[in-house]
Amino acid sequence: GDSVTQMEGPVTLSEEAFLTINCTYTATGYPSLFWYVQYPGEGLQLLLKATKADDKGSNKGFEATYRKETTSFHLEKGSVQVSDSAVYFCALSDEDTNAGKSTFGDGTTLTVKP
Amino acid sequence: DVKVTQSSRYLVKRTGEKVFLECVQDMDHENMFWYRQDPGLGLRLIYFSYDVKMKEKGDIPEGYSVSREKKERFSLILESASTNQTSMYLCASNHLQGNNNQPQHFGDGTRLSIL
Repeated sequence: GDSVTQMEGPVTLSEEAFLTINCTYTATGYPSLFWYVQYPGEGLQLLLKATKADDKGSNKGFEATYRKETTSFHLEKGSVQVSDSAVYFCALSDEDTNAGKSTFGDGTTLTVKP
Repeated sequence: DVKVTQSSRYLVKRTGEKVFLECVQDMDHENMFWYRQDPGLGLRLIYFSYDVKMKEKGDIPEGYSVSREKKERFSLILESASTNQTSMYLCASNHLQGNNNQPQHFGDGTRLSIL
C-alpha cells in the first residue's frame, strides 16, 4: 500500500537558518505530492504541490521538487522566520486509489527561535 | 474564499454519551473526510464519503459512524464515547475528479475531551 515517511522531529532552528524536511514515499501508481502546514490551533492548509516528476512546487519561500528516481519530495526554505514555526505534513494522492483520498506522513514540528 | 467549518472548537463530553461532530463545506466538494490527530500518530482517517449517503471506512472506524444526508454536511458520530476517543478531530473536503491532484481543504479542528 501507499506510505509516506518524513523526517522525525522536532526540528529547532534559529531565524534565517536553512530548512530541509525530508519526505520519501511509496506508491503503487503515479501519485501527486503535497506539503501541508498546520499552525498552532488551526487545521492543515496546503503549502505547495507537484503532480509529475521533476515538477517544483513553491509558495511563501518554500520549495519541493518531485523526484521520481529517489521517490522523494523534500521541503526546503533558504531562510526561516519565527512565523514559520508549525507542523509540516507530507502527503500523496495516488491515481490508483479513490481520487481525492490522501496518505499523510506523521508530521514534523518546526520551531524557529529568534 | 473556500471554507470548511467545524461546529465546535472545543467540546467536553462524558463517557457513554452519544457525541455529534458537524462539518460543513461551501465549495460543492464531493469528497469529505474525518480524521483524528494524536501526538506521535499523525493523521488517521476514520471515515470518508464521496457522495451523499455514501460512506467508506478509513483506517480506524471502530467506535464511530458517519452521516452524509446533504452534500455540504458530513457528521461524525461517537455512538458511546470513551476516554480513548479524546483527541483532535479534523474534517476535510475536496473534489472527486478523474485525476488525483486535488488537495484537501481542512477545518480548524474540534478538540474533544471525554471525561
